[in-house]
This record gives sequence, C-alpha cells and structure tokens, in this order.
Amino acid sequence: KQEVTQIPAALSVPEGENLVLNCSFTDSAIYNLQWFRQDPGKGLTSLLLIQSSQREQTSGRLNASLDKSSGRSTLYIAASQPGDSATYLCAVPSSNQAGTALIFGKGTTLSVSS
Amino acid sequence: DAGVTQSPTHLIKTRGQQVTLRCSPISGHKSVSWYQQVLGQGPQFIFQYYEKEERGRGNFPDRFSARQFPNYSSELNVNALLLGDSALYLCASSLAPNSGALNEKLFFGSGTQLSVL
Repeated sequence: KQEVTQIPAALSVPEGENLVLNCSFTDSAIYNLQWFRQDPGKGLTSLLLIQSSQREQTSGRLNASLDKSSGRSTLYIAASQPGDSATYLCAVPSSNQAGTALIFGKGTTLSVSS
Repeated sequence: DAGVTQSPTHLIKTRGQQVTLRCSPISGHKSVSWYQQVLGQGPQFIFQYYEKEERGRGNFPDRFSARQFPNYSSELNVNALLLGDSALYLCASSLAPNSGALNEKLFFGSGTQLSVL
C-alpha cells in the first residue's frame, strides 16, 4: 500500500531564505509525482508535475526533483516571499486504483515572515 | 475560462441529516474526482467518474454516493451524517481518466466546507 510522508510538518523562515521541502513514498513504481499548494480553507493549486522519466521540473522560483529509486522528492523554493506562506502537499497516483486516485502526504505548512 | 466550481462553499448540518454537494468541471473535462480533507490531513480519494461511469471508489462507507450528469457535472451525496464527516470536500477535474498513465494534472475547486453538529 502506497504511503506518502512529508517532513517537516511545519517550517518558519525569514523572507529571502532558500528552503527545501521533503516528500517520501513507499512504492517506487509511480508514473508521476505532483506538488500542490493549498491556502487556508481553500482548494489545491497544482505547482509542478514530474513524470517518472524526469528527474526535475522548474517553474519560476520553484524546482522539484524526483528520485524514484530512493522514493524521494524535494521541492526547492528560492528567495522565499511572504506570499509563499501556505501548505505544500505532494501526491502520487495510487498503486491500487486506476484512474485519478492520488495518495497525498499531510503537507508542510510554510510561514515566511517579512 | 472558469475553473472547477463547487457549491455551496459552506454548509452546516446536524447528525443524521443528508447532504448534496455539487461540482462543475473545467469546460471540456470529462473526469471528476471527489476528495475529503479532514483538518490537518491530506485529501483522501472518495470517487472518480468518467463519462458518467464510476471509475474508482476509495475506502468510504456506503453512506457516500456520487453521480455524474451528461454535462459532466457531478454530485456527491452523504447520508446519515456523522460528526466525523466534518471536512473540506474537494472536487477535481481532468481531461483524461487516468492521471497515472497519462501524466494528467488534476485541477481542484475551492471546496465545500461541511460542518456536522
């Protein structure tokens, strides 16, 4: 059964710092991995999707890497800003379900102070 | 183009009641998925519908049911509400039926916050 773990659960940093969020998964037979952002009480916004054949994806100040063999992904945020404050979730397709069932971690709640 | 829209945004019910949540996917998307997110947890998969047929069901009791209409909008119904059903219910849409094999992104709505008293 696929399980997804994210550490740390919470992170507080001053504006301008570079930071890394971690995601690990137990079943390495994944097709892709997605990183999402969630603002309090709101829905999820897809940030990056890394295909299993890729090692990393970049979008602006965000860079996500994927190491299937070790069951790990990292989300790197450069030059953090107060507007980056949110919960960041990683998710992989369920190995037991076809379709669009994703298995999510509990998320990392990021607070960036000005 | 409008994104995924969900209604209502907030809902308060009492134990034992029934609730219906609604979702309209992005125009052209034929797949709709429902997720439940309890405070402090990641979303959990409930159902997926594609072309009006159920394609997947998560580990939820039979009190939870859903359907998809010819215009691809969807409803999630929960009967005999329990306190533990209090959560943010999220709807997601996609073009393809399988996000794993086709590397298809899911697009989420803002959710319906359900409180059961």
